[in-house]
Amino acid sequence: EAGVTQSPTHLIKTRGQQATLRCSPISGHTSVYWYQQALGLGLQFLLWYDEGEERNRGNFPPRFSGRQFPNYSSELNVNALELEDSALYLCASSLGGRQDGETQYFGPGTRLLVL
Amino acid sequence: GQQLNQSPQSMFIQEGEDVSMNCTSSSIFNTWLWYKQDPGEGPVLLIALYKAGELTSNGRLTAQFGITRKDSFLNISASIPSDVGIYFCASTSGSRLTFGEGTQLTVNP
Repeated sequence: EAGVTQSPTHLIKTRGQQATLRCSPISGHTSVYWYQQALGLGLQFLLWYDEGEERNRGNFPPRFSGRQFPNYSSELNVNALELEDSALYLCASSLGGRQDGETQYFGPGTRLLVL
Repeated sequence: GQQLNQSPQSMFIQEGEDVSMNCTSSSIFNTWLWYKQDPGEGPVLLIALYKAGELTSNGRLTAQFGITRKDSFLNISASIPSDVGIYFCASTSGSRLTFGEGTQLTVNP
């Protein structure tokens, strides 16, 4: 069974540009989560999508947005990139449909570098 | 917000030694998860705990969900060089996964 996949693996942008990151969940999973992991820091929750709807959002500005498609894949968009947006962006998926206690499985991440 | 306090921050051990790390919180959680992350990779789930007092093993790894539901520990027995990495505890609240700060493990051959 294929795990969570993310693309691209690496992305280089300049300040002010927009970045689009993609994630495909494990087959059968309906929930997708996005996390930011800056260098030397822990994982910070960004967004949670389930059944095409945004269910929860972390403490990030509105220029971080995303969506979930009918096939449950997801995009994370970061507008007006800033240098401090450089980080590893991780996507995770879970079975969905429950409020709490679901195990999340992570993809390999997209390394975003903003110059 | 909810915080998970993970310790120690780093460990340097010799191959063959046992390792123990733990996580505590001031909040009660329903789930404790332990992940390992290799450099440049996403975290990989090692053990999931769903009930207070639960003790679960996965090969040389053993983890327990504390009775108070506010803590958990992870033990690694007979460490090997490939155990090197960052170990994170995590817990869920409303499907938001909160992570500890991580324990960086170095194993010297």
